[in-house]
Amino acid sequence: QVQLQESGPGLVKPSETLSLTCAVSGYSISSGYYWGWIRQPPGKGLEWIGNIYHSGSTYYNPSLKSRVTISVDTSKNQFSLKLSSVTAADTAVYYCTRLGWGSSYFDYWGQGTLVTVSS
Amino acid sequence: EIVLTQSPGTLSLSPGERATLSCRASQSVSSSYLAWYQQKPGQAPRLLIYGASNRATGIPDRFSGSGSGTDFTLTISRLEPEDFAVYYCQQYGSSLWTFGQGTKVEIK
Repeated sequence: QVQLQESGPGLVKPSETLSLTCAVSGYSISSGYYWGWIRQPPGKGLEWIGNIYHSGSTYYNPSLKSRVTISVDTSKNQFSLKLSSVTAADTAVYYCTRLGWGSSYFDYWGQGTLVTVSS
Repeated sequence: EIVLTQSPGTLSLSPGERATLSCRASQSVSSSYLAWYQQKPGQAPRLLIYGASNRATGIPDRFSGSGSGTDFTLTISRLEPEDFAVYYCQQYGSSLWTFGQGTKVEIK
C-alpha cells in the first residue's frame, strides 16, 4: 500500500521560503509515476502546485511557477517542495500526492500539513 | 487554461436519495482526463472516478461518472450517511491540472 507523509514547519514568516518534504513508503519513486503537490487554503478549494518524475522532469502551475521548486531524492524515496517569497495568501493545507497511471489524476494522497504564513 | 465550474454549490438531500453533481468545462476535455474526488472535513481528498467513468479501487458501485466534451456528471444512486461531503472534479490538459470549486452534499 502506497503511503505518503508530509513534513516541515507549520509556521513560516512572510517573505521567507516554505519547505516541505513528502516521504513515500510502499512504493519506490524510482519505479515510475509522477508525484505532486496540491494545496488547499482554509475553507477553500484545491489548487495544483506542481508534479515531478523520478528523472527530475517537472510541471508547475503557471501562477506559482516563478516561486516554486519541486525536487526528488530517490535515495531517500522522497520529494520536496520549496515556495519562496511567501505571503499570507500561501497559508494552506499542503498535500503530497501520486499521479495515477497516465498521470492525469491523483490516486494517493498524504494526510496534509497546515502551513501558516505569519510573522 | 481550462476552467471547471461545478453546480450546484450545495446540494441538500436526504439519505437514500439520488445525487446528481455537474462539472462543466470552459473547453472540451478528453474523457480520459476527467476525475472526481470526495473530501470529508479534516481529511485529504479521495479519488472516486477517473477517466470520467472508471471507479477507483474500493469505490462502491453507487458512485458513477458520465459525460464527455464539456459536460460531466457524478451520480450517487442512493446516498449513504457517509456520502455527505464535498466533491471536486479535476481535469488534465496541456500540462495543467485544474480543479472545480466543489459541490457540498449536505443532509437535508
